[in-house]
Parts: sequence; structure tokens; C-alpha cells
Amino acid sequence: DAEITQSPRHKITETGRQVTLACHQTWNHNNMFWYRQDLGHGLRLIHYSYGVQDTNKGEVSDGYSVSRSNTEDLPLTLESAASSQTSVYFCASSESTDFYTEAFFGQGTRLTVV
Amino acid sequence: KQEVTQIPAALSVPEGENLVLNCSFTDSAIYNLQWFRQDPGKGLTSLLLIQSSQREQTSGRLNASLDKSSGRSTLYIAASQPGDSATYLCAVASGTYKYIFGTGTRLKVLA
Repeated sequence: DAEITQSPRHKITETGRQVTLACHQTWNHNNMFWYRQDLGHGLRLIHYSYGVQDTNKGEVSDGYSVSRSNTEDLPLTLESAASSQTSVYFCASSESTDFYTEAFFGQGTRLTVV
Repeated sequence: KQEVTQIPAALSVPEGENLVLNCSFTDSAIYNLQWFRQDPGKGLTSLLLIQSSQREQTSGRLNASLDKSSGRSTLYIAASQPGDSATYLCAVASGTYKYIFGTGTRLKVLA
């Protein structure tokens, strides 16, 4: 079955380190998204991509970057991890850009920055 | 800027009750609205997707309605069960920020 997987599921890192969270989907979806989920804020969009070589900033993009070199993967990089980036990160994908279809989410990555 | 609100934030009901969860959004120019379920420590599971041209969608004991003009959607759960206990999130697809989420309703169904 097609799926979307995130790795690692849990990560502890130190302030100032670079961290990359992986997201891989096997649906061949064009659209991919990264969200963070924090108590009291719900899910907030970090970055998104409509296809290979396309990336866009979301609501809370400062301190994060993404790259899209193929359809299946959208890795999220924290350039210099900060304690404020401690959160649960979710990757999602969907099929279409013009008429938004169902979005599918990964199981999440719990990141702790100490 | 699109804002999504869910009321109530938490709800506790006895098993067997029918219940309604509410979602409101400020900008009616949406592409679709999706309801999700999230169990503690887990990802999001899609429940129902309503396109902007649709009024409602049904799946089993779940029924979601959409009134774009008033900026509201409701999720109706019939004959609730303890297994329905979870956080329910609504998300609106609109503008340039794609899916905008509400903060969710935390549901507990008591046996």
C-alpha cells in the first residue's frame, strides 16, 4: 500500500546543531507539506512544495529550509536548532494543486532541542 | 488571513449519545474542508473531505456538512462509542497557505 513515512520518529538534539527530518511518500503526489504541532497553536505550516524544484514558505518558516529533488521526498532542515523548535513535526502529501484533494499525514517526528 | 476555530475545545459524553463538533472559518473562499482524527501521540487520519461545491459527506456514523457562505462546518457523530475518543481537527484548504487547521476538539466518550 502507498504510504507516507517520517524518520526519525523521535530525536533529541542540542541547540545550534543542524537537524534534518525525512519525509518519504509513495503515492507519487505532487504536493508535500511540513507542519509543526504545538499545544495551544494547533498545526502550523512551515514549508510546502508543489513539485520537483518547487518550494514555498509557510506561516512559520524562519529557521527551517526544504529542498525537493524528486517527487517522493521533502526533507526538512533546521539550520541551527533552537529550543523554540521543540515540537512535533508532521509531513503531509496530496495529489492535486488546482482542486485540493485529500491530504495524507505521516506519523510525526517528536523533536526535542536541549 | 484565514482563521479556523473549533468549538468546543473539549467534550465529554456518555456512550451512545449523538454529538456535533463545530468548525468555523473566516474566509469563505475555500477549495475544500477536511476533518481529521488524531489519537494521542499519533498522526492524523483523514475522516471526511468536503469539496467547496458540496454540502455534506457521510462515512458510516460520521456526517460532515459545509455552509461556505456562513463559514461553518459541523461533524456529526451518531451513537458515539468509547473508541471514538480522540482529538478531531478540521482543516480548510484556501489561499496560499494551503491547509489551515483549527486547534481541535478533544472528545472523550465514557463507557
